[in-house]
Amino acid sequence: RKEVEQDPGPFNVPEGATVAFNCTYSNSASQSFFWYRQDCRKEPKLLMSVYSSGNEDGRFTAQLNRASQYISLLIRDSKLSDSATYLCVVMRGSNYKLTFGKGTLLTVNP
Amino acid sequence: DVKVTQSSRYLVKRTGEKVFLECVQDMDHENMFWYRQDPGLGLRLIYFSYDVKMKEKGDIPEGYSVSREKKERFSLILESASTNQTSMYLCASSLVRVDQPQHFGDGTRLSIL
Repeated sequence: RKEVEQDPGPFNVPEGATVAFNCTYSNSASQSFFWYRQDCRKEPKLLMSVYSSGNEDGRFTAQLNRASQYISLLIRDSKLSDSATYLCVVMRGSNYKLTFGKGTLLTVNP
Repeated sequence: DVKVTQSSRYLVKRTGEKVFLECVQDMDHENMFWYRQDPGLGLRLIYFSYDVKMKEKGDIPEGYSVSREKKERFSLILESASTNQTSMYLCASSLVRVDQPQHFGDGTRLSIL
């Protein structure tokens, strides 16, 4: 099993759609979880941290299921500006090293 | 806002050259990291440093070395550049807390001819 595995995508959705990304991780000792977004030819930028109780930031909702080692990101009311690659990121234990998923490309169409 | 600055956006070097990539952060972060990103392979950790003069190998350290003489600066060195080191190189920094994310620089697109 890969350390971090994401939906391969790509996802093409119309504006206003709801889209969900899923991610699984293999290391049960993982302590911290994040979603990053990366625009074409740019650096990854933190979208949101993922907490055990689930968390929401505007149109974005992140969920964590430690028992199933599963993370999700839900984007509601998609905007054209949401078009990017979304990276699921897991911290390996307590040594600050991050493992990145390969990313899922989202294209929001007018 | 955290600012991580990489010295060059684009760099072209020749096979066998010694190449230095510089990274500076302005937030007094203890941890600094070097990654490379290749299509289909995602981001892979080359080296990281959790303190001045401290370094630890990442997943793909072969052909690279690093230097951290000052807290704010972390350098990646390609001892003898090869064509398979053509890639996007990304520097990141973070605080020493497990719940803290890493903040990335703009990246250096390095081509080895």
